[in-house]
Amino acid sequence: QVTLRETGPALVKPTQTLTLTCTFSGFSLSSSGMCVSWVRQPPGKALEWLGRIDWDDDIYYSTSLKTRLTISKDTSGNQVVLAMTNVDPADTATYYCARATLDRPYHNMDVWGKGTTVTVSS
Amino acid sequence: QTVVTQEPSLSVSPGGTVTLTCGLTSGSVSTSEYPSWYQQTPGQAPRTLIYKTNSRSSGVPDRFSGSILGNKAALTITGAQADDDSHYYCMLYLGRGTWVFGGGTKLTVL
Repeated sequence: QVTLRETGPALVKPTQTLTLTCTFSGFSLSSSGMCVSWVRQPPGKALEWLGRIDWDDDIYYSTSLKTRLTISKDTSGNQVVLAMTNVDPADTATYYCARATLDRPYHNMDVWGKGTTVTVSS
Repeated sequence: QTVVTQEPSLSVSPGGTVTLTCGLTSGSVSTSEYPSWYQQTPGQAPRTLIYKTNSRSSGVPDRFSGSILGNKAALTITGAQADDDSHYYCMLYLGRGTWVFGGGTKLTVL
């Protein structure tokens, strides 16, 4: 059974760096065709795709956020980390990670975590 | 900047058929944008319904189907049920490894 869980701080101050961890089980990010995506959703607003890390270490970012995002993986620990620098109240959102199966360029986000809510406020 | 467009809201009667669309502010949507569709109810994580235009995700009932209609991607729900009352989002591939969601459609079943 594939599961994913997002963890991180519930409250972050403006200008700080937000670091979120996606811990997963039931699959290996070292296996061909696997990847993990990040998606967020501000309160009452639409989903926003943030980025993706692939089994072979290819990484892709949202065009609008790429200067602020870093996605990395810890294969041995079954974790993927999302770091977002210089956060702003507009980054207040629920952040989701999802397992995806990859057949470039498309990926199918077939299993989602429950999400973690982050508030950016001083 | 290219934006992905969806109807803000639609309604359907129980048992009826409804089609949600997903377009681009510049250009047409084809299978090359690999459209996918997601259902989300309040407080829940999204659920993937359709990927790569018309492939149903595991466990998704066949009353949900994806297609290209004209210059847009489409999600058709046939025989709508009360629990289809949700938000629906499409996502498109815009090249160079980047993907963008639409603004979502609130579907009301009444």
